[in-house]
Amino acid sequence: DAEITQSPRHKITETGRQVTLACHQTWNHNNMFWYRQDLGHGLRLIHYSYGVQDTNKGEVSDGYSVSRSNTEDLPLTLESAASSQTSVYFCASSVDRENTEAFFGQGTRLTVV
Amino acid sequence: KQEVTQIPAALSVPEGENLVLNCSFTDSAIYNLQWFRQDPGKGLTSLLLIQSSQREQTSGRLNASLDKSSGRSTLYIAASQPGDSATYLCAVRPGGSYIPTFGRGTSLIVHP
Repeated sequence: DAEITQSPRHKITETGRQVTLACHQTWNHNNMFWYRQDLGHGLRLIHYSYGVQDTNKGEVSDGYSVSRSNTEDLPLTLESAASSQTSVYFCASSVDRENTEAFFGQGTRLTVV
Repeated sequence: KQEVTQIPAALSVPEGENLVLNCSFTDSAIYNLQWFRQDPGKGLTSLLLIQSSQREQTSGRLNASLDKSSGRSTLYIAASQPGDSATYLCAVRPGGSYIPTFGRGTSLIVHP
């Protein structure tokens, strides 16, 4: 079955290190999104992409970057991890700009110590 | 800016009750609304998607309605079961945007 997978599921890293979270989908969806989920804030959009070579900033993009070199993958990089970036990160995808039913990965729990 | 509110934030009910979860949004110009379920430590599972031209969608014991003019959607869960315990989130795709805006969810506990 087609799916969206995130790796790793859990990660502990030190302040200042660069970290990359992987997101891979096999549906051939054009749209891909990264969210973080925190108590008291709900889901907040970090970055999103509408297709290969397209990336856009969301509401909480500072300290994060993404690249889209193919349809299947949208890795999220924390340039220099900070304790404020301790969170649960979710990747999602949808078909295209018209068909926007979203499907989510299982999440990555990141702890920055 | 579109804002999405879900009330109540938490709900605890005995098994067998029929439930209504509420989702309200500030801008009625939406393309669609999607309901999700999230189990603890898990990702979001899509339950129902309602297009702006539709009034309701049904899947099994779940029924979601949409009233754009009043900025409201409800998720009706019939004959609740302990397995329905989870957090339920709604997400609205605003007009002019392709990105869903999420509410903070309703945490539901159904006890035997």
